[in-house]
Amino acid sequence: AQKVTQAQTEISVVEKEDVTLDCVYETRDTTYYLFWYKQPPSGELVFLIRRNSFDEQNEISGRYSWNFQKSTSSFNFTITASQVVDSAVYFCALIPNQAGTALIFGKGTTLSVSS
Amino acid sequence: GAVVSQHPSRVICKSGTSVKIECRSLDFQATTMFWYRQFPKKSLMLMATSNEGSKATYEQGVEKDKFLINHASLTLSTLTVTSAHPEDSSFYICSVPPPGRDGIQYFGAGTRLSVL
Repeated sequence: AQKVTQAQTEISVVEKEDVTLDCVYETRDTTYYLFWYKQPPSGELVFLIRRNSFDEQNEISGRYSWNFQKSTSSFNFTITASQVVDSAVYFCALIPNQAGTALIFGKGTTLSVSS
Repeated sequence: GAVVSQHPSRVICKSGTSVKIECRSLDFQATTMFWYRQFPKKSLMLMATSNEGSKATYEQGVEKDKFLINHASLTLSTLTVTSAHPEDSSFYICSVPPPGRDGIQYFGAGTRLSVL
């Protein structure tokens, strides 16, 4: 089965706290792509990162960092020193095997950052 | 600028009317486009794959006579919600994979449909 699980439905933090959003995926394919998207209240999906299955290097982009671990089939996302503008729904997604196929989304995690 | 243009962004219609949503690829030709549906506070679910020059491929449980998809050109796919009812109210969003860029997909801004 191809599946993405985001166990955290909602997370609330106070500004400047660090927060980690969990993502666990399932796929039988050896080649696949993992993504994180941000969806603010406007609804538009904002692309954050893409990672292919052969690249397990962790990545940092400003306050954002991603930890990809194939051994545990996880692709977790950490926001350091969270800000109110980070409040949104965050989706983890998977494209199994063949590029050009549709994304399989997790159920999303709603992050609320208060001041 | 936007790579994928989706119109309209919001539509309110009466029950029984049909609504057409356009998804246009601005920067490249696309033989495939995807249509997703998102209920409030829910995830995005793939409805169908739009194929240029052939019939769309619908996911299980999606009524193809209800949600008509036409991929008339390499830059345009349309989704028509026929005889809309309140339960069709949802957020519809399209995505387009560019050729040769593994795994990348560009999303439209989405269409919020409200059926009264």
